[in-house]
Amino acid sequence: KQEVTQIPAALSVPEGENLVLNCSFTDSAIYNLQWFRQDPGKGLTSLLLIQSSQREQTSGRLNASLDKSSGRSTLYIAASQPGDSATYLCAVGPGGKLIFGQGTELSVKP
Amino acid sequence: NAGVTQTPKFQVLKTGQSMTLQCAQDMNHEYMSWYRQDPGMGLRLIHYSVGAGITDQGEVPNGYNVSRSTTEDFPLRLLSAAPSQTSVYFCASSFRGLLSQETQYFGPGTRLLVL
Repeated sequence: KQEVTQIPAALSVPEGENLVLNCSFTDSAIYNLQWFRQDPGKGLTSLLLIQSSQREQTSGRLNASLDKSSGRSTLYIAASQPGDSATYLCAVGPGGKLIFGQGTELSVKP
Repeated sequence: NAGVTQTPKFQVLKTGQSMTLQCAQDMNHEYMSWYRQDPGMGLRLIHYSVGAGITDQGEVPNGYNVSRSTTEDFPLRLLSAAPSQTSVYFCASSFRGLLSQETQYFGPGTRLLVL
């Protein structure tokens, strides 16, 4: 059974710092891996989708990498800002059947 | 486009009552899904659909019923509400086919409290 883990559960950094969020999965048959952002009391917003055959995807200050052999993905956020404060979730699977990690709650302090 | 819409935003039920959570999308997506989000448990899949007339169970389907008569709508029915169904419910949709197009779009959620 596929399991997705995100460590740490919470992270606090000063503004301007570059940071890495981690996601690990137990089964390399992932179809896609998606990173989402969730603000308190809101729905999820997709940040990046990495296909199973890809190694990384980039969008602005965000870069997500995928290493299926080690069962890991990382989300790199460059030059963090207070507006980046949110919970970040990763999920694997085909579009309608995602399996989620429990998320990393990020706080960026001014 | 309105994207994925959900109603109601918040609902209080008594144990044993039934209700329907509504979900609609205007993006012509084939995939539609229902997840529940609970503290410490993350998001878990309840039911999903790959197209009109086709539904299947996810990880936690007990106590819930779905049907999909149109591409746009995917309602979730609670048959007899229990306190264990207190949660935040999210509906999501995506294209089906090319893996690169399967970005999942989420609705704003319905907060359900069962007393």
